[in-house]
Amino acid sequence: DVKVTQSSRYLVKRTGEKVFLECVQDMDHENMFWYRQDPGLGLRLIYFSYDVKMKEKGDIPEGYSVSREKKERFSLILESASTNQTSMYLCASRTTSGSSYEQYFGPGTRLTVT
Amino acid sequence: TQLLEQSPQFLSIQEGENLTVYCNSSSVFSSLQWYRQEPGEGPVLLVTVVTGGEVKKLKRLTFQFGDARKDSSLHITAAQPGDTGLYLCAGRTGSYQLTFGKGTKLSVIP
Repeated sequence: DVKVTQSSRYLVKRTGEKVFLECVQDMDHENMFWYRQDPGLGLRLIYFSYDVKMKEKGDIPEGYSVSREKKERFSLILESASTNQTSMYLCASRTTSGSSYEQYFGPGTRLTVT
Repeated sequence: TQLLEQSPQFLSIQEGENLTVYCNSSSVFSSLQWYRQEPGEGPVLLVTVVTGGEVKKLKRLTFQFGDARKDSSLHITAAQPGDTGLYLCAGRTGSYQLTFGKGTKLSVIP
């Protein structure tokens, strides 16, 4: 089974703190994604990476950065957390083999910024 | 921006009832996926439809892709409490990306 794990299920941070959200997948997938999920807004893509050291901005990259130094790990960084970044953060991965576009999701990190 | 509109946004039904949820767009998608998300978990893929007019069945769930590949529906027969969750449709919009609808939150009351 594909497994995508996220470093924390719940996180509480203060405004202005630097926040790291870690995601690890164990299936040697090339592509990895970070989304945030908010009520009434659905899933919105923050950043994605199609391979190691590669990254592309998604729909809402402002206030975030990412790092992908190893194939299995994709980190989301909030340089200076703000209250409007309180949200559920979901990581996903996908293989480029075959024609499926299935994305495998982690359980999510619920981040609260106070 | 390609948008996917899902309806209804919320649905609460009794166990044993049938229901249909919809996913509509003005854009054409090369493929469309349906995911279910349970509380506190990430979304899990249910099905991918690729061909216009395609119908796929997964036990009591029937998925249909519109002939023009702009819309899709999910029909559940004899809903059970285990069907409770957030149903998301997602259309392929590029080599890597999916665009997600906002979801339909289904509650099945025993």
